[in-house]
Amino acid sequence: EVHLEESGGGLVQPGGSLRLSCAASGFSFSDYDMNWVRQAPGKGLEWIAYISPTGNTIFYADSVKGRFTISRDNVKNSLYLQLQSLSDADSAIYFCARERAAYYDTNGSPAFDPWGQGTLVTVSS
Amino acid sequence: IVLTQSPGTLSLSPGERATLSCRASQSVDTYLAWYQQKPGQAPRLLIYDASKRATGIPARFSGSGSGTDFTLTISSLEPEDFATYYCHQRSNWPRGTFGQGTRLEIK
Repeated sequence: EVHLEESGGGLVQPGGSLRLSCAASGFSFSDYDMNWVRQAPGKGLEWIAYISPTGNTIFYADSVKGRFTISRDNVKNSLYLQLQSLSDADSAIYFCARERAAYYDTNGSPAFDPWGQGTLVTVSS
Repeated sequence: IVLTQSPGTLSLSPGERATLSCRASQSVDTYLAWYQQKPGQAPRLLIYDASKRATGIPARFSGSGSGTDFTLTISSLEPEDFATYYCHQRSNWPRGTFGQGTRLEIK
């Protein structure tokens, strides 16, 4: 069964840092693009970061560029998100999400499937 | 690209037909997906490529549209379908934007 499980969330002070992890299982992790998406409490979804299967290509949303760093370890089947210079606006549930199709499958347009259950980050003094 | 979903809230009864709309500020071709999210859960992919059902999604869910106007239809609502639905465009892959969501509630 394909499964993603996030960890590492918690309470952090403004200006602080945190590292989120996403453990993948049930599929060939190194064949898939991966993403982070966040959702502020009671709000909608916001894509924030993408990484290619090899890790060579990375994109960020403008809202987190320069503060967040996405990375992956294909040996450990894990995805990471380093969060720095955190503010109240970064409080959210952070989801990891796999691309629906492997890099070699060009059939159909991209979408996120599956998603992890999310990890909550609360930025507060 | 801004996605605008309507209505914000839809109140219907089980067995009724639900029609949810998503409008893009510019053409996204068919690079559009729909997700269902229940309280306390992660989003679940329902539709990709505007009209293709994801694996395991019941046939009562269907998507249509291209360019700027898209529709998610649930032909006959089941109790488990009451949730929030988001549309999502990836025409500028890997970036993308989500709509603000439509909450489908029991009437």
